[in-house]
Amino acid sequence: DADVTQTPRNRITKTGKRIMLECSQTKGHDRMYWYRQDPGLGLRLIYYSFDVKDINKGEISDGYSVSRQAQAKFSLSLESAIPNQTALYFCATSDLGASGETQYFGPGTRLLVL
Amino acid sequence: QKEVEQNSGPLSVPEGAIASLNCTYSDRVSQSFFWYRQYSGKSPELIMSIYSNGDKEDGRFTAQLNKASQYVSLLIRDSQPSDSATYLCAVNINDYKLSFGAGTTVTVRA
Repeated sequence: DADVTQTPRNRITKTGKRIMLECSQTKGHDRMYWYRQDPGLGLRLIYYSFDVKDINKGEISDGYSVSRQAQAKFSLSLESAIPNQTALYFCATSDLGASGETQYFGPGTRLLVL
Repeated sequence: QKEVEQNSGPLSVPEGAIASLNCTYSDRVSQSFFWYRQYSGKSPELIMSIYSNGDKEDGRFTAQLNKASQYVSLLIRDSQPSDSATYLCAVNINDYKLSFGAGTTVTVRA
């Protein structure tokens, strides 16, 4: 079984709809992240969480919110989806080690906002 | 200036050749550096990490780090068609954040 799972894997929604993307992990990591990936722009950080009570905004948090329901679960919500939120979304986990941060990615959710 | 910049692609190399990928970063205090490989439509997977100046080899991959010049590179020796992918350079900006380059797409011609 995959260590980091995301649901759904693909989603089509309409402008103005609220949607939630879910992420679960079995790696036992405290840190979880949400990224979006757009062609030519690489991965950009939306939100990150160091533990259940610690949630922080990344570089592009506007229009998004998150919930850390448990150590293993981190959800991303689009409050009112707009077309420029069409992207590939990745959840990642990490466990900061002595040599720094190594992140492990889920399979991604491809979102299309019409 | 972007925090992490990679040489623009795409990069096309013949099978068996060496593919050379470059990455520069802006934050001089960065300590940890990573190369991820991403196949089309898939998630990034870690292939190399490097923390000290010099070379680090793992199979056909060699990462090179020069902190004074603020660059990190990845060499793929004996390139195979299965190496065709986008390679992402990532740099630890601080103890929690990874900053990613836009990626370089490599195509290995059979």
